[in-house]
Amino acid sequence: KNQVEQSPQSLIILEGKNCTLQCNYTVSPFSNLRWYKQDTGRGPVSLTIMTFSENTKSNGRYTATLDADTKQSSLHITASQLSDSASYICVVSGGRGSTLGRLYFGRGTQLTVWP
Amino acid sequence: DSGVTQTPKHLITATGQRVTLRCSPRSGDLSVYWYQQSLDQGLQFLIQYYNGEERAKGNILERFSAQQFPDLHSELNLSSLELGDSALYFCASSVDSGQGTYEQYFGPGTRLTVT
Repeated sequence: KNQVEQSPQSLIILEGKNCTLQCNYTVSPFSNLRWYKQDTGRGPVSLTIMTFSENTKSNGRYTATLDADTKQSSLHITASQLSDSASYICVVSGGRGSTLGRLYFGRGTQLTVWP
Repeated sequence: DSGVTQTPKHLITATGQRVTLRCSPRSGDLSVYWYQQSLDQGLQFLIQYYNGEERAKGNILERFSAQQFPDLHSELNLSSLELGDSALYFCASSVDSGQGTYEQYFGPGTRLTVT
């Protein structure tokens, strides 16, 4: 079972609308959580990195939240643009011993923004 | 441009063959990570090297091997190729060994097609 689960698997919204993507994880112990944006056929690009002590972090129109108690994170995109169409990947760093610092990847949410 | 370079960009080969993918990390980065992304699949962590030493191992097949050279570039060797090995192979680099919140920068990827 994947230790990082994302929902929804895919999402279609109209340009200018807001949306929220979800990430639940079971990785323990937890070090940090990252959100990446991946355009089709290209390498992922980091949007935010949050440690367990951070609840919210923003990067322009992207705002990530983290609840380390419930092991949930969300990525909120405001005033969506056509260029936001991409896969959004939740990545959790954690583990212990030989897996300390290892990154665990979710399968991603495929966002499509329509004009 | 992330500063991470990968060659070749595309590679087409036949089953049973062996190929080598190359990655040059960003200047100053000591860690190199290799990932595999099959069609419609999430990123799968293969292996990490830090300053020339193997640091962490993921879902890497025995037919695959990697190394990091003294100049910190890395090579991923794939042998006895099968159709299922067709995928995008990404390299990423970071300055730390993976335990902190340093950014991981991804290269543009090598698209491998096995026919």
